[in-house]
Amino acid sequence: KAGVTQTPRYLIKTRGQQVTLSCSPISGHRSVSWYQQTPGQGLQFLFEYFSETQRNKGNFPGRFSGRQFSNSRSEMNVSTLELGDSALYLCASSLAGQGAGEQYFGPGTRLTVT
Amino acid sequence: QKEVEQNSGPLSVPEGAIASLNCTYSDRVSQSFFWYRQYSGKSPELIMSIYSNGDKEDGRFTAQLNKASQYVSLLIRDSQPSDSATYLCAVSSAAGNKLTFGGGTRVLVKP
Repeated sequence: KAGVTQTPRYLIKTRGQQVTLSCSPISGHRSVSWYQQTPGQGLQFLFEYFSETQRNKGNFPGRFSGRQFSNSRSEMNVSTLELGDSALYLCASSLAGQGAGEQYFGPGTRLTVT
Repeated sequence: QKEVEQNSGPLSVPEGAIASLNCTYSDRVSQSFFWYRQYSGKSPELIMSIYSNGDKEDGRFTAQLNKASQYVSLLIRDSQPSDSATYLCAVSSAAGNKLTFGGGTRVLVKP
């Protein structure tokens, strides 16, 4: 079974621009979560989508948004990029409906904001 | 106080020895606990999940959970140089798939 895929793998953007990242979950997985990883803050939860609905949201500003499509693929968008948004953005998929299940991470998108 | 705490290390262990990693969490309603391994430049890889008090073994890995003490640990037996990585403890409450991660423990296995 194919794993979680994320595109693009690397991205360089300029401050003020916006960016869209894509995630395809493991086949059959309906939950997709997004995380941001930085050296200073570690791994932090952004949001989770299940059956096209945002089910959980982390403590990030409204510039960070996401959506999920009917085939469970998900996108996240960051508008008005700031230098501090430079990070590894990780997507994780899970079978779980209610409650926490095992989450499997994709390879991540490395975003650099200059 | 951080919600999930781990010793940052590095934890240096000789090849063949047991590596013992600890994690404490603050949210008493936490119900699901996970250990991930992350190699430098790579994404986290799930190695263990544990949901009930006690021990769970999978190959060379054993996870231990004590909800009363809000403590979860990971033992790596017969440590190999390929086990050198950062190990992340993750905790989830009953409210969906939100994982809260500790800062990770860096493990170095020396031949």
